[in-house]
Amino acid sequence: EAQVTQNPRYLITVTGKKLTVTCSQNMNHEYMSWYRQDPGLGLRQIYYSMNVEVTDKGDVPEGYKVSRKEKRNFPLILESPSPNQTSLYFCASSLSGSSGSNEQFFGPGTRLTVL
Amino acid sequence: DAKTTQPNSMESNEEEPVHLPCNHSTISGTDYIHWYRQLPSQGPEYVIHGLTSNVNNRMASLAIAEDRKSSTLILHRATLRDAAVYYCILRGAPLMNRDDKIIFGKGTRLHILP
Repeated sequence: EAQVTQNPRYLITVTGKKLTVTCSQNMNHEYMSWYRQDPGLGLRQIYYSMNVEVTDKGDVPEGYKVSRKEKRNFPLILESPSPNQTSLYFCASSLSGSSGSNEQFFGPGTRLTVL
Repeated sequence: DAKTTQPNSMESNEEEPVHLPCNHSTISGTDYIHWYRQLPSQGPEYVIHGLTSNVNNRMASLAIAEDRKSSTLILHRATLRDAAVYYCILRGAPLMNRDDKIIFGKGTRLHILP
């Protein structure tokens, strides 16, 4: 089944403790992206990747890192999480970033709480 | 970054058509108009997209204004399961000096009345 998977689905952590949220897709998609969703603010893009070893900042990249060493994986890294990073995170992928016609497929979300 | 504007919320009766508007006055010639929806407690899911011509699929229809500065998502016969937040976004091919950020905005929360 074609899908985007995220792990963990739920995470409670404390300020300053490094964490990684994994994202994997099995559709051989070139484009991958991370979003956060907060009440009243909608979906905001954190980082995106057009292909392996190519990453770019979205609208809210501060406090996050990403890497794209393999096509299928796009982990989101919080080196020193803070309470304002408590949010619902979604990973998404699409066939290509070089055309605007490709639909995005979203993962189920990761709910992160930073105490 | 190209942005879209949508009403915060709309209501419709079950089994009636729903027209969800979206304004995108700064759309560029290569931007596609995409619609996604997010059901409660789920990730967004793709609904439909188009460039210039109106589009139909099994979920909905997309009507695009001739000047492309606005579009309307049409649900032909709303059901209770269509209650969701609907997002209209623009997505274009990355060009020199232009990135491929995607801006979702807050979307329209659609309430369906039984």
